[in-house]
Amino acid sequence: AQSVAQPEDQVNVAEGNPLTVKCTYSVSGNPYLFWYVQYPNRGLQFLLKYITGDNLVKGSYGFEAEFNKSQTSFHLKKPSALVSDSALYFCAVRVPSGNTPLVFGKGTRLSVIA
Amino acid sequence: DGGITQSPKYLFRKEGQNVTLSCEQNLNHDAMYWYRQDPGQGLRLIYYSQIVNDFQKGDIAEGYSVSREKKESFPLTVTSAQKNPTAFYLCASSDRAGDHNEQFFGPGTRLTVL
Repeated sequence: AQSVAQPEDQVNVAEGNPLTVKCTYSVSGNPYLFWYVQYPNRGLQFLLKYITGDNLVKGSYGFEAEFNKSQTSFHLKKPSALVSDSALYFCAVRVPSGNTPLVFGKGTRLSVIA
Repeated sequence: DGGITQSPKYLFRKEGQNVTLSCEQNLNHDAMYWYRQDPGQGLRLIYYSQIVNDFQKGDIAEGYSVSREKKESFPLTVTSAQKNPTAFYLCASSDRAGDHNEQFFGPGTRLTVL
């Protein structure tokens, strides 16, 4: 079975500081990994994904994520946080051979304080 | 949210009533999905469909039903058998299930049982 853990329900960061939202996964085989963002009362928006190759993936709005196979992690990062980054962030995983939908973590609420 | 529409945005249901949530996509995607979102629980898969006239149960299918008669449409019916239907419902689509393609989400329908 595949699963995703987001160990922090809430992350607070000051505007201008770097931010990290953590994600660890558990799958059999090599995973496809995704990050999404959700603003209040809206659907999820795709930020970035890891399929294969370079472990550092760059995505929308200045976000990036680093795939670490030995630590089974895919943490989301941004060098300088904006107040407008405040939202709910979801990590998701899929096994390439599994032919199944994405499995999502429970989400991490990011608050960027001015 | 572009390409996937959900209606209505807000829906109120009396106990014992069935209600149907609409999901339409113009992205020519083969796969479509329904998720339920509750605070602190992330996204939980209700049903998904990989192709027209075929669908599979997700993790929490009890009390829900779906149909996939057309490629662009995947309506979800919340039946009276669903004991706690108040939640935010999200529809998504992707080129194919079980691939590296990201899922695109609609804006959601918030269902409240009165």
